Amino acid sequence: GAGVSQSPSNKVTEKGKDVELRCDPISGHTALYWYRQSLGQGLEFLIYFQGNSAPDKSGLPSDRFSAERTGGSVSTLTIQRTQQEDSAVYLCASRPTGQANSPLHFGNGTRLTVT
Amino acid sequence: AQSVTQLGSHVSVSEGALVLLRCNYSSSVPPYLFWYVQYPNQGLQLLLKYTTGATLVKGINGFEAEFKKSETSFHLTKPSAHMSDAAEYFCAVIQTQGGKLIFGQGTELSVKP
Repeated sequence: GAGVSQSPSNKVTEKGKDVELRCDPISGHTALYWYRQSLGQGLEFLIYFQGNSAPDKSGLPSDRFSAERTGGSVSTLTIQRTQQEDSAVYLCASRPTGQANSPLHFGNGTRLTVT
Repeated sequence: AQSVTQLGSHVSVSEGALVLLRCNYSSSVPPYLFWYVQYPNQGLQLLLKYTTGATLVKGINGFEAEFKKSETSFHLTKPSAHMSDAAEYFCAVIQTQGGKLIFGQGTELSVKP
């Protein structure tokens, strides 16, 4: 399919472990976003990649969170030393370069549960 | 910096009644505005968007929204609710020069028979 793909779809981890979440954007989309969706918290912006520009990391909640995007395509969101409050659905989205008026295309998310 | 406020985390209407979901935005520059819908156990999908031109925009499933600059609002309406409209609705804003898309807290719509 041509949609945004995220893996794994579900992840259960123990408190203190590191996790990696993966996002494959739509081919040709060079803008990529990560959001976190928690109960009662709506969609919280985490980080935004636009082409070769420095990413906008202003939404990352702590230095335990980091993300990279290799080759302008696949992105990985890493959470180190996970805490129970990190439990949420992590959503990835992409859109075409430079087209601010074009909508985001979302993946189905990774549901992270920290026990 | 831009922000979005959705008034009412839960809205309940009867089937056939008017749906009104409120969204107010704050932006230092002209914004683009979006409404997204998330059905239970599904991903987000675009309902409608305002970029330029006509301030009344029509979306899928009979929804529409009106951009009112003077009120900094972009409320979502539908004349007659269907049971299938039960979902969570998110308003979002982005600056026209691009950047991050900021979402509101979401409004959960329930439709009673």
